[in-house]
Amino acid sequence: NAGVMQNPRHLVRRRGQEARLRCSPMKGHSHVYWYRQLPEEGLKFMVYLQKENIIDESGMPKERFSAEFPKEGPSILRIQQVVRGDSAAYFCASSQWDRGRDTQYFGPGTRLTVL
Amino acid sequence: DAKTTQPPSMDCAEGRAANLPCNHSTISGNEYVYWYRQIHSQGPQYIIHGLKNNETNEMASLIITEDRKSSTLILPHATLRDTAVYYCIVRARSNFGNEKLTFGTGTRLTIIP
Repeated sequence: NAGVMQNPRHLVRRRGQEARLRCSPMKGHSHVYWYRQLPEEGLKFMVYLQKENIIDESGMPKERFSAEFPKEGPSILRIQQVVRGDSAAYFCASSQWDRGRDTQYFGPGTRLTVL
Repeated sequence: DAKTTQPPSMDCAEGRAANLPCNHSTISGNEYVYWYRQIHSQGPQYIIHGLKNNETNEMASLIITEDRKSSTLILPHATLRDTAVYYCIVRARSNFGNEKLTFGTGTRLTIIP
């Protein structure tokens, strides 16, 4: 059973460009979470999605950031007009719905560098 | 989610048991204790979780005190590959959806050859 997949693993963007990060959850998982880790800091929650729904976006910056998890395909975290402060590792996690099996499993992350 | 307190760093000799403590004195009845680790800059790896009973799996054991205010993660025979930052997280489980994880600063465990 493949784990959580993220791509690209490394992404370089210039200031003002757009960054698109993709996350494919584990097979059978319908919940996706995005976390951000700034250099030398811990992981911070950004957003929690189920298929076609945003459940909790309390950790998302108010501007330039958006996330989706369509009925078909991977979850996408989109950052518009990137700035140097967006440089970080972005991790996706997925879980099942069942209350007894809702442990989150993480992907390898996407490292975004903004020049 | 309740806050946790962990020592910032610990060393352990290779082959010995590594015991990582965590205080969560404000934990509430519906909150579980989860342990993850992050090796270098990889994605966090799930280790184990529990509510009030001690738990064991192929990676580690989790000992939770009777009052649930603290716990200890035990890696029985530490290897160099266990060098990582270990995070203790308390997390509620609701009937309405899965809850986010709140990461603290964790414990940086170094296994000494």
